[in-house]
Amino acid sequence: SQELEQSPQSLIVQEGKNLTINCTSSKTLYGLYWYKQKYGEGLIFLMMLQKGGEEKSHEKITAKLDEKKQQSSLHITASQPSHAGIYLCGAEGPLTFGKGITLSVRP
Amino acid sequence: GAVVSQHPSRVICKSGTSVKIECRSLDFQATTMFWYRQFPKQSLMLMATSNEGSKATYEQGVEKDKFLINHASLTLSTLTVTSAHPEDSSFYICSARPDRDRGPFGNTIYFGEGSWLTVV
Repeated sequence: SQELEQSPQSLIVQEGKNLTINCTSSKTLYGLYWYKQKYGEGLIFLMMLQKGGEEKSHEKITAKLDEKKQQSSLHITASQPSHAGIYLCGAEGPLTFGKGITLSVRP
Repeated sequence: GAVVSQHPSRVICKSGTSVKIECRSLDFQATTMFWYRQFPKQSLMLMATSNEGSKATYEQGVEKDKFLINHASLTLSTLTVTSAHPEDSSFYICSARPDRDRGPFGNTIYFGEGSWLTVV
């Protein structure tokens, strides 16, 4: 089965700082999803990557999938308190998730 | 945008009873839906894949007789927790994949708001 490792497990940053979180797969990724969640609530779809080297951006969040399609990174520029939450990466087939990264942003 | 709705959002039931949670895709048809469970401070654990018109595919370790899944239409899947016990208390969340070639929502999987189950 596909295993996804997310790092770091948790992250605390000062508001305004940039940050990067990672998602590494044990197998080639045929579809990589990034979601954001506050525990006990629904998931918010951020981005989906399929092609090696693909990069997508939405507002201040940029996600990349490496050429080998085994690693993805999510970069947040000028973090804000609204970015706080749990970030989950999910791999296609069926959609399974890493353990998530808890992001806290200090005002 | 696409919406997946879960109902109820919160439910309390007595130990030994059964409770049903509904997952509806409001804006698209979904042959495939997924059910997850989330424990406190943990990620989503895939329980089963729900397939319209056929039996659900359960993940290893998930009791199919305890967690009954019915996907009777292209917009509705239900999860029934049978003979619920306090250890079944959890946050359950579903997701749906829009059928390709049937709408504008593409290859994105959408999640419901989740359902909190408390068994007392």
